Amino acid sequence: GESVGLHLPTLSVQEGDNSIINCAYSNSASDYFIWYKQESGKGPQFIIDIRSNMDKRQGQRVTVLLNKTVKHLSLQIAATQPGDSAVYFCAENYNQGGKLIFGQGTELSVKP
Amino acid sequence: ETGVTQSPTHLIKTRGQQVTLRCSSQSGHNTVSWYQQALGQGPQFIFQYYREEENGRGNFPPRFSGLQFPNYSSELNVNALELDDSALYLCASRRLDVGETQYFGPGTRLLVL
Repeated sequence: GESVGLHLPTLSVQEGDNSIINCAYSNSASDYFIWYKQESGKGPQFIIDIRSNMDKRQGQRVTVLLNKTVKHLSLQIAATQPGDSAVYFCAENYNQGGKLIFGQGTELSVKP
Repeated sequence: ETGVTQSPTHLIKTRGQQVTLRCSSQSGHNTVSWYQQALGQGPQFIFQYYREEENGRGNFPPRFSGLQFPNYSSELNVNALELDDSALYLCASRRLDVGETQYFGPGTRLLVL
């Protein structure tokens, strides 16, 4: 069935280190990908997105890499801070439809 | 904050009852989508509304229905509640003609006993 999967369910890093969260998607026709951050008791918060005609996009302290050959997406967080602790979801979208397909999520824990 | 609000924040119902959840979209957003998020899982798409009509639906039975109003606010209705309907219900809004980015509200936590 449809799925966007994450390789690691949990990730623990030291404050100041870089974090990398990985994601595999299944629909080769997907053309838009988003990373969301969800803190406990809150809704998903948009972090960064990327279209399928790009392979890298940078934001403030975050970078998303897209490898369409192997249907892989990653989120890199530079200088991880305790406030980055949350569950991170990747999601895929096709042809501007409203249906986002989410994975299970990776819980990022940042140790001070 | 995304500007998307939902009410109520928490709700407890019993099996067989009906529930209505509400969402107020971000200003200028004409499209709203609803998602169900079970504990420990990613959100699952229920349906999307644009111009007050449903224009996309996920794998949810007809007892999940919705409405979108002229001011773009929205309701999710669930009839004949089942225990498995216990979840966090999220709405997300966007401008269909601008791009795909969906902005989520804080969700309504529904518990069915």
